[in-house]
Amino acid sequence: NAGVTQTPKFQVLKTGQSMTLQCAQDMNHEYMSWYRQDPGMGLRLIHYSVGAGITDQGEVPNGYNVSRSTTEDFPLRLLSAAPSQTSVYFCASSLQPNTEAFFGQGTRLTVV
Amino acid sequence: RKEVEQDPGPFNVPEGATVAFNCTYSNSASQSFFWYRQDCRKEPKLLMSVYSSGNEDGRFTAQLNRASQYISLLIRDSKLSDSATYLCVVNEEGKLIFGQGTTLQVKP
Repeated sequence: NAGVTQTPKFQVLKTGQSMTLQCAQDMNHEYMSWYRQDPGMGLRLIHYSVGAGITDQGEVPNGYNVSRSTTEDFPLRLLSAAPSQTSVYFCASSLQPNTEAFFGQGTRLTVV
Repeated sequence: RKEVEQDPGPFNVPEGATVAFNCTYSNSASQSFFWYRQDCRKEPKLLMSVYSSGNEDGRFTAQLNRASQYISLLIRDSKLSDSATYLCVVNEEGKLIFGQGTTLQVKP
């Protein structure tokens, strides 16, 4: 059972580079979301999606783009990486908003 | 004011102790509530949902007080394996809002 798969697990970027963090789920979940986790800050919502073709901003969306062309995939794009985006990124999915959310294993991103 | 607030701890307790964590949330329209557990910066995993009537799962008891906008988690007979960070999570219109987590360290 794959669940939620995030790639890559680790990434180092130079300031100004762009990249896409991949997230895929095989549970046919409608709800997907991206979080970043920084020390002492807990998980903060970046963007979320309630279904294919629908996305919305969370608490900290600046510098990130998302799209949801299929139910399975919810990639997160960093447009021009900055050191402030050094963080651990988690993707999550759930069947309904009030049901259990399943998380990917995280992507540890360092921007130098 | 943060939307979901927790005491970050750490809580250091001996094996067998009972420990309680509290969490407050600011949005009275919040619809559902959860406790997640996170080990060593791994992905969070659901520990238990929190129901209005309170619910128990083995050594764990969760309670919700909507009037006070307060959620609690009680762990009885603490085990070494309970050492982790416990995240209070509130669902606001489909968005999961996390508290910063409370760290528990259970010592022999």
